[in-house]
Amino acid sequence: AQTVTQSQPEMSVQEAETVTLSCTYDTSENNYYLFWYKQPPSRQMILVIRQEAYKQQNATENRFSVNFQKAAKSFSLKISDSQLGDTAMYFCASPHTGANSKLTFGKGITLSVRP
Amino acid sequence: DTAVSQTPKYLVTQMGNDKSIKCEQNLGHDTMYWYKQDSKKFLKIMFSYNNKELIINETVPNRFSPKSPDKAHLNLHINSLELGDSAVYFCASSRSRTNYGYTFGSGTRLTVV
Repeated sequence: AQTVTQSQPEMSVQEAETVTLSCTYDTSENNYYLFWYKQPPSRQMILVIRQEAYKQQNATENRFSVNFQKAAKSFSLKISDSQLGDTAMYFCASPHTGANSKLTFGKGITLSVRP
Repeated sequence: DTAVSQTPKYLVTQMGNDKSIKCEQNLGHDTMYWYKQDSKKFLKIMFSYNNKELIINETVPNRFSPKSPDKAHLNLHINSLELGDSAVYFCASSRSRTNYGYTFGSGTRLTVV
């Protein structure tokens, strides 16, 4: 079965500090995107960042960046200058082998930003 | 203008009833999905349609039936509701089968009592 592993169920970070959320995946697709989604208490699923597997350069979106290690199938999310509004669940997602349109999600990590 | 809209946002119903959840996207995307998020927040795909054609049909009870009248709409009908069907159901869409990422609706919290 396709798996996306987020081994940390919860993390906490002080406001303005940096935190890294880890994720590993096991898709065998040739060309694919990887994703981090944020789900705040409002339950809306919001795309935070995506990484194209063919690009060696790590994706960056403002305070959010990824550390993509293709050989290790590792895709971690770094949040810099953490803000109270970053408090949410974060889900990593990768495409299913042989069914690129189908995303498999990790179990999620609950991030709390402390004032 | 909401990109992916689901109705209703909340649904409370009794066991044994039949209910529908509607989803519409105005992004011009070809592919739409239904995901279920359980009480532990785990997201699992249920169905996917590409241009009105069913392309993903996971192992879900046949009490769940999706319908896509056109590529902008994907509805979910549930017959004979059970307590275990209580969850948040998300509709999502993507540009094509090559997955550039989903845009999600706001979810429907279904509570079966």
